[in-house]
Amino acid sequence: GAVVSQHPSWVICKSGTSVKIECRSLDFQATTMFWYRQFPKQSLMLMATSNEGSKATYEQGVEKDKFLINHASLTLSTLTVTSAHPEDSSFYICSARSERLAGVVTQYFGPGTRLLVL
Amino acid sequence: SQQGEEDPQALSIQEGENATMNCSYKTSINNLQWYRQNSGRGLVHLILIRSNEREKHSGRLRVTLDTSKKSSSLLITASRAADTASYFCATDEDSWGKLQFGAGTQVVVTP
Repeated sequence: GAVVSQHPSWVICKSGTSVKIECRSLDFQATTMFWYRQFPKQSLMLMATSNEGSKATYEQGVEKDKFLINHASLTLSTLTVTSAHPEDSSFYICSARSERLAGVVTQYFGPGTRLLVL
Repeated sequence: SQQGEEDPQALSIQEGENATMNCSYKTSINNLQWYRQNSGRGLVHLILIRSNEREKHSGRLRVTLDTSKKSSSLLITASRAADTASYFCATDEDSWGKLQFGAGTQVVVTP
């Protein structure tokens, strides 16, 4: 199946610093990628839809100036958490959209990035 | 916002037993998918059922979909300790493939 990677897999940073998370589709091109956030013992919450070559579309309640998304190529999207604070500590998961399965839109998920802000 | 609600929130069974979990959603969908997530890990896609399908099987998994009730169920037969994980349903509502996830069911299978 299609593979999506994320880097780093975990990061610890001081409050006020910015953290960049990369999401790559390794064996297919993804014009659309999605970013999710998951707090402990909770479900995945969609943060934004990232489209190659255009601005990301953010879900209601997600600050676009706080969570910067760049989708500069068909295989790479980045999420930058700017001026991170402890409440931003979470598990961030990306997915890449693929239409491999007989035209059915399918998402392939990355392994996630655990962010801890001290 | 989350579309789906799942029940039960947690399920504890012994190996060999069947595990059933349910998912309800609110709007029209293109398809519904089930995912598994081991603790602290990424998601693993289990099965996709289209809106015009009523039942689908994959190995020990059986998924049903009732669009009139806006609900789906996932049955895991002959469960194994390795099935211990959280299970999420996700609905695909639009042409972009944006997924809305349910709250999840945490399944613990004891040997």
